[in-house]
Amino acid sequence: GAVVSQHPSWVICKSGTSVKIECRSLDFQATTMFWYRQFPKQSLMLMATSNEGSKATYEQGVEKDKFLINHASLTLSTLTVTSAHPEDSSFYICSARATGGVGNQPQHFGDGTRLSIL
Amino acid sequence: SQKIEQNSEALNIQEGKTATLTCNYTNYSPAYLQWYRQDPGRGPVFLLLIRENEKEKRKERLKVTFDTTLKQSLFHITASQPADSATYLCALDLYNQGGKLIFGQGTELSVKP
Repeated sequence: GAVVSQHPSWVICKSGTSVKIECRSLDFQATTMFWYRQFPKQSLMLMATSNEGSKATYEQGVEKDKFLINHASLTLSTLTVTSAHPEDSSFYICSARATGGVGNQPQHFGDGTRLSIL
Repeated sequence: SQKIEQNSEALNIQEGKTATLTCNYTNYSPAYLQWYRQDPGRGPVFLLLIRENEKEKRKERLKVTFDTTLKQSLFHITASQPADSATYLCALDLYNQGGKLIFGQGTELSVKP
């Protein structure tokens, strides 16, 4: 149980393109999903917290107009990297927590999206 | 300043030995501490969670300790196997932060046959 599916797993596109990444909880409902970014040999850095039916909460230094987050249902959150540039190239990972659980519940992670901007 | 540090970037041990990974933090008061495993190119996988009022938690060959006085958690893998080779991440779950996690930089464990 507790499977999170992330799609696509790999994207290569030209500079200036907008890229949408989907994160789905397959067998549970998630009021809250999280979006992370990870550079090689570094840890996960939280970008934003996505709440179903409300605006996302962005971490300091993350441009909300650059990284658009939509959490329209209890099983789907999307991250759109708008007008992507080479410096946006990274490994993006989402996670979800089951509804009703906070600190006593682990986060379940997708397998990440490798984004390469040429 | 607030920091979370894992003892080393890489740890090499022989198969069958016990691997011990360290996670230290400063200027945080976590309600929970979690350990995850991450394989290259994959998302992290949850392993164990320990609460602030718990000293130790076990799951099969895994053991986690949590000392809130020392601000330290130790993660042990007994009878290690080459399949245990991966990066291990500790994460702090803070009070009243909406469930978000603060991750350490990870320790890359390599178990040699």
